[in-house]
Amino acid sequence: TQLLEQSPQFLSIQEGENLTVYCNSSSVFSSLQWYRQEPGEGPVLLVTVVTGGEVKKLKRLTFQFGDARKDSSLHITAAQPGDTGLYLCAGARRINKFYFGSGTKLNVKP
Amino acid sequence: GAGVSQSPSNKVTEKGKDVELRCDPISGHTALYWYRQSLGQGLEFLIYFQGNSAPDKSGLPSDRFSAERTGGSVSTLTIQRTQQEDSAVYLCASSFWVGEKSYEQYFGPGTRLTVT
Repeated sequence: TQLLEQSPQFLSIQEGENLTVYCNSSSVFSSLQWYRQEPGEGPVLLVTVVTGGEVKKLKRLTFQFGDARKDSSLHITAAQPGDTGLYLCAGARRINKFYFGSGTKLNVKP
Repeated sequence: GAGVSQSPSNKVTEKGKDVELRCDPISGHTALYWYRQSLGQGLEFLIYFQGNSAPDKSGLPSDRFSAERTGGSVSTLTIQRTQQEDSAVYLCASSFWVGEKSYEQYFGPGTRLTVT
């Protein structure tokens, strides 16, 4: 069983739409990361959140860490085709041990 | 090169053969991780190294899997007597060890292993 559940698994939207991806767990994490991965490449870190309730913005991307540090969300405003990829969340429960979610495949159609 | 490199990029092997996958981390990174990723799925933690020692080997799927790191740099993941279920992309990542608040891992492009 996956320690971190991501939803939805697949998302296909039109350019300009907004979307939210969720990352949920019953476990508490000391920090949580979001990555984006393109085909044939390794994941690239987008953000790390460490404080319960923390909100971080990266241009059109907004990341939130739940108050209890068990869940997180990624919201993309006005999605663009360049946002297409596999989005992965990863939680750390102790130093250097990371648990990855199963990923959300996003396709943004022009 | 400044990034994490892995070799080979693709490996096709017959069932029952042994394979070695190599990872060159970013220079100066003390922590090194191995993950396995099935097609389009999330990452499965295999093992991590702090320096040359592996404090956590709990993710290795079976005793056919082993890994070593020498000189605090290059790491090799070895799979003996490969099985078809070993087919996946094997990803390596490295990071600095800077206490509890810095976890940025830099990933290599992966090795795609296909066992026929």
